[in-house]
Amino acid sequence: QQQVKQSPQSLIVQKGGISIINCAYENTAFDYFPWYQQFPGKGPALLIAIRPDVSEKKEGRFTISFNKSAKQFSLHIMDSQPGDSATYFCAASPLTSGTYKYIFGTGTRLKVLA
Amino acid sequence: NAGVTQTPKFQVLKTGQSMTLQCAQDMNHEYMSWYRQDPGMGLRLIHYSVGAGITDQGEVPNGYNVSRSTTEDFPLRLLSAAPSQTSVYFCASKGRYEQYFGPGTRLTVT
Repeated sequence: QQQVKQSPQSLIVQKGGISIINCAYENTAFDYFPWYQQFPGKGPALLIAIRPDVSEKKEGRFTISFNKSAKQFSLHIMDSQPGDSATYFCAASPLTSGTYKYIFGTGTRLKVLA
Repeated sequence: NAGVTQTPKFQVLKTGQSMTLQCAQDMNHEYMSWYRQDPGMGLRLIHYSVGAGITDQGEVPNGYNVSRSTTEDFPLRLLSAAPSQTSVYFCASKGRYEQYFGPGTRLTVT
């Protein structure tokens, strides 16, 4: 019940295309869903996050879509650029329960071809 | 404002040796945590702390010890290093929602 399942494991997209990464969770206590971006040799950095009271959040070219009934959320990268090539992790956390723990997906390695 | 800092950046240990990975944050965050990152397994929580003097175990705590004597520092101790502990270790601190990660320590145990 604590798992967050992420797919695909790797993704290759042409420059200008749309990158889509999906995550699914089981624990209905999760109420905070961030996405992290990690470049080689660096720590993960928060990209965008969503709470379950909205179905979509957009920041620039990055959009999270959230489906509470299906317990799924996804990251869409519009107009993908070579600089977006990185590993992306989804995560889930039961913030309002006060436990503060984050459960991470296994990551998606994105390569955007120039 | 340096955020989360970790030392060392790289370390090689022999099996059975002990060492401490250092982590410090200057954001006055109460919550800090240690993760290990292995290929294909994402980030797994080792130990976490919700404030000075309070620590608890995460998913993979065996072989590691932590203590939290100050808000700023959260060191991770490897008691007797094993090859299975070869990994990249990240320290993080959390504000209200967002978790900030340090640059990581790449540890190899031979």
